[in-house]
Amino acid sequence: ETGVTQTPRHLVMGMTNKKSLKCEQHLGHNAMYWYKQSAKKPLELMFVYSLEERVENNSVPSRFSPECPNSSHLFLHLHTLQPEDSALYLCASSHSSQSSYNSPLHFGNGTRLTVT
Amino acid sequence: AQKITQTQPGMFVQEKEAVTLDCTYDTSDPSYGLFWYKQPSSGEMIFLIYQGSYDQQNATEGRYSLNFQKARKSANLVISASQLGDSAMYFCAMREGSTKTSYDKVIFGPGTSLSVIP
Repeated sequence: ETGVTQTPRHLVMGMTNKKSLKCEQHLGHNAMYWYKQSAKKPLELMFVYSLEERVENNSVPSRFSPECPNSSHLFLHLHTLQPEDSALYLCASSHSSQSSYNSPLHFGNGTRLTVT
Repeated sequence: AQKITQTQPGMFVQEKEAVTLDCTYDTSDPSYGLFWYKQPSSGEMIFLIYQGSYDQQNATEGRYSLNFQKARKSANLVISASQLGDSAMYFCAMREGSTKTSYDKVIFGPGTSLSVIP
């Protein structure tokens, strides 16, 4: 398998549920990202892991909890979400180094989350 | 603080015509990269083209070219010979290079919705 794979593609959950989104990359990258894309809004950077260390937490509520066990896997644990958290959640990976400003992000297909 | 502006929320183009999607950016970092992505209605983000701040020539990839005007801080995407499959959202993005905090962060503009008319 190649590229960036996200599961599940679609998720419907109640506000009291706990669920997890999974992302896996097979590109040999050392940085992974979570972005949130809501309708009519720009992509919002949520979390960045570089060399398995969290380097960015963009004021995201604690009901979103990331986990990066190794450079190939990234999770987003969800609990007690709100309806406004319904969005497309995109995972991406990239090289991370001082010369990596020329490295594009490679995205997964996203998880479309609906909170009821 | 870095910022990406895309002033065209929506654009229409006739099939087989060329179209330019605007992007301006703001940064004080001398090292940065500019990227364009395409997002069809299915949701995946597809990398199209890259331009580096030190590149002397405009980037080209097939029907895509980038009109890079460094002094004006603009990086407009030109799509030649538009096809129906080009209908999608297009995002401009920037990645700075000086510090670990900056080069690990990629910031996106609000996007432009392109519709190709048969």
